[in-house]
Amino acid sequence: KNEVEQSPQNLTAQEGEFITINCSYSVGISALHWLQQHPGGGIVSLFMLSSGKKKHGRLIATINIQEKHSSLHITASHPRDSAVYICAAASNTGNQFYFGTGTSLTVIP
Amino acid sequence: EPEVTQTPSHQVTQMGQEVILRCVPISNHLYFYWYRQILGQKVEFLVSFYNNEISEKSEIFDDQFSVERPDGSNFTLKIRSTKLEDSAMYFCASSRDLQETQYFGPGTRLLVL
Repeated sequence: KNEVEQSPQNLTAQEGEFITINCSYSVGISALHWLQQHPGGGIVSLFMLSSGKKKHGRLIATINIQEKHSSLHITASHPRDSAVYICAAASNTGNQFYFGTGTSLTVIP
Repeated sequence: EPEVTQTPSHQVTQMGQEVILRCVPISNHLYFYWYRQILGQKVEFLVSFYNNEISEKSEIFDDQFSVERPDGSNFTLKIRSTKLEDSAMYFCASSRDLQETQYFGPGTRLLVL
């Protein structure tokens, strides 16, 4: 069973395009994490949110608790944004994590 | 900027051997985690650790696995008798508090032959 579902699995965009990655979850959560995994494998945390919206530079993350859905938006996409974006749900206790399969983003110049 | 470090970066071992993967979390962090990622698959949660004990563990974290904070800086994952299916990238992460950003180490790539 997949507690966290992401879409799309793969995404190719032209530089400058607005990008949306979606995440749905079926478990009760205390927070939702968005992570970026670089081509070399390293993982960086982008956002952790439990309600509303957060913005950092060109990245925006939103969450709708009632609908159990979160989105990650990238405005004015750039080739350096090419990476795998992973959604992870933290359980109600905050100590267990359920990961999506990731969205592989390629931004073409 | 402080970072989480992991050693070794790569390890090759024979099936049935014990391996210890080491992590040095960020110094003022209190929550520690291990994850694994089998090649081509999603990241999976293994275990969380706080106050010198396991907070939560996944179904993957069976009796072959153990974690320890042997001193004030290291956080280790031991696999007692490795199996072929343990081959994966293992990531350590730490956070200052439960609901704060996790910082990930660069990972240890384990290959079991």
